[in-house]
Amino acid sequence: SQQGEEDPQALSIQEGENATMNCSYKTSINNLQWYRQNSGRGLVHLILIRSNEREKHSGRLRVTLDTSKKSSSLLITASRAADTASYFCATDTQGGSEKLVFGKGTKLTVNP
Amino acid sequence: NAGVTQTPKFQVLKTGQSMTLQCAQDMNHEYMSWYRQDPGMGLRLIHYSVGAGITDQGEVPNGYNVSRSTTEDFPLRLLSAAPSQTSVYFCASRNRGFNEKLFFGSGTQLSVL
Repeated sequence: SQQGEEDPQALSIQEGENATMNCSYKTSINNLQWYRQNSGRGLVHLILIRSNEREKHSGRLRVTLDTSKKSSSLLITASRAADTASYFCATDTQGGSEKLVFGKGTKLTVNP
Repeated sequence: NAGVTQTPKFQVLKTGQSMTLQCAQDMNHEYMSWYRQDPGMGLRLIHYSVGAGITDQGEVPNGYNVSRSTTEDFPLRLLSAAPSQTSVYFCASRNRGFNEKLFFGSGTQLSVL
């Protein structure tokens, strides 16, 4: 079964607005990663947050991690039309193998 | 560096045919993996490898075989294709370790008729 589940499945906003996506997972993790996929392309790594971190920033991206709730959120500030893509979280399993398991993704549409 | 290279980009098979999806990386990554992506299902892990000669199953391994004879290559074999294997397949690689990011290929779109 899939480890991570993103919420919402789809999100449509206007340019300049903030976009928030959430990820919930089932087991203890070493880290949680967020990836982006443009239509028809491979995934590209955005940001990694370790299990002992609570918040991380990269440019317009802000990721939070709450290990007690087994959840993470990805915030994209001041969104642009070019941010239109699908966003996925991926997790490993603490004490387990090195495999990364992905959720089903959130499809973000930013309208100009 | 070319990164992760997948071939072919598109393939149409008939039910029962066999084929191999190729994946090669030039980043000296020990960890390599195969995912399939279906609408509404996200990415599901098929098989992965942590080094030459070592492979393991992911979430959906049935119907697929892998081997890892070199660090660079990680082919995925469909021995007898079924319509349920119609999907987009992605190969990904990274360094060993729990805090390493994955690098993805551009994908292979496979249709099984």
